[in-house]
Amino acid sequence: GQQVMQIPQYQHVQEGEDFTTYCNSSTTLSNIQWYKQRPGGHPVFLIQLVKSGEVKKQKRLTFQFGEAKKNSSLHITATQTTDVGTYFCAGAGSARQLTFGSGTQLTVLP
Amino acid sequence: DARVTQTPRHKVTEMGQEVTMRCQPILGHNTVFWYRQTMMQGLELLAYFRNRAPLDDSGMPKDRFSAEMPDATLATLKIQPSEPRDSAVYFCASGLLAGDNEQFFGPGTRLTVL
Repeated sequence: GQQVMQIPQYQHVQEGEDFTTYCNSSTTLSNIQWYKQRPGGHPVFLIQLVKSGEVKKQKRLTFQFGEAKKNSSLHITATQTTDVGTYFCAGAGSARQLTFGSGTQLTVLP
Repeated sequence: DARVTQTPRHKVTEMGQEVTMRCQPILGHNTVFWYRQTMMQGLELLAYFRNRAPLDDSGMPKDRFSAEMPDATLATLKIQPSEPRDSAVYFCASGLLAGDNEQFFGPGTRLTVL
């Protein structure tokens, strides 16, 4: 079945540093989504990427979808304490279901 | 604003007891998902419904878990009998059209089985 791998599992950064999490799928995806889960909270949808090579920005967050539609990344510029949480990618395959990655837990040190 | 609701938010029970978790999806959403989240296994899909029909429950232990949608405003996840290894946070999510669209998660039910 479809597998979605996400690295790193944990990342600690100093406030102001950049952060990147990477997502790789074993199969070609129709779309990839990113979610953020604050500590003690629930996953919240951030964005969806559909096109090969697509790049989208939300303020300090930059999302990329690979040319082969098998990988994706989320980059945060100049992290803030409000960025703390776990970031999940979720890939949609041929079965039209989402498979969530294992998540990257981001800690931002003040 | 519209959101997914789940009850109870917390549940502590003893091994062997029946547990029922409830979810009210966002009005108008036709897909409903049940996930289980643990530190070890991450976010696991347990069941997926579209238009109240179960499409995928392959991630759910069949011997003790069951999921139903008695109507469009209620989804239930039942564990009988519960075991300590079932301790986790159970999320319900809803969405539109197909299983690969944006999902809206509820606040979750934190289950502890002693």
